[in-house]
Amino acid sequence: GESVGLHLPTLSVQEGDNSIINCAYSNSASDYFIWYKQESGKGPQFIIDIRSNMDKRQGQRVTVLLNKTVKHLSLQIAATQPGDSAVYFCAENGDYKLSFGAGTTVTVRA
Amino acid sequence: DAGVIQSPRHEVTEMGQEVTLRCKPISGHDYLFWYRQTMMRGLELLIYFNNNVPIDDSGMPEDRFSAKMPNASFSTLKIQPSEPRDSAVYFCASSSTPVDTEAFFGQGTRLTVV
Repeated sequence: GESVGLHLPTLSVQEGDNSIINCAYSNSASDYFIWYKQESGKGPQFIIDIRSNMDKRQGQRVTVLLNKTVKHLSLQIAATQPGDSAVYFCAENGDYKLSFGAGTTVTVRA
Repeated sequence: DAGVIQSPRHEVTEMGQEVTLRCKPISGHDYLFWYRQTMMRGLELLIYFNNNVPIDDSGMPEDRFSAKMPNASFSTLKIQPSEPRDSAVYFCASSSTPVDTEAFFGQGTRLTVV
């Protein structure tokens, strides 16, 4: 079946640099996408979402980009901070339910 | 609102025992989801409810798993009998729509079956 997947399982970034986390999706019926952040011992926490009628959406220090042509989603974090260290998941709503990718572990170096 | 509340936070049980996980969704949310998270399979949707009615239970692994939602403020996920391969973190989430808005997750229950 179709599934959401992430390109890289881990990302190490220097504090203050920008981070880019990528996600590939394969369900062309998906029209809503979410990025979640999960810190150790906690549940996933909403970061930002985007609908398929948009290519870009910005939040506080975060930007989500959607490329429907190649079915690609990315999360950009500006000026990465130690508190950004976590696992990041993308999710899509194909098949009438939220499906999650495998997750990318982001580690911020001081 | 205190968010989605799950209990217990940790559960250790012996193989063959019955385990019951509990969830209180956010007030006003009509949708409740149960997920399981493991290193091998990631976050998997087990079942979801709309207005207390189970809508999709295709993710429930087998008959040993059952879920109920007797009212709008309470749901349970039961495993009977439990097996070591059921060890995982189980999350409950709630939302105002099934797939068009964010789902809010609880802190999870870490289940260990020995």
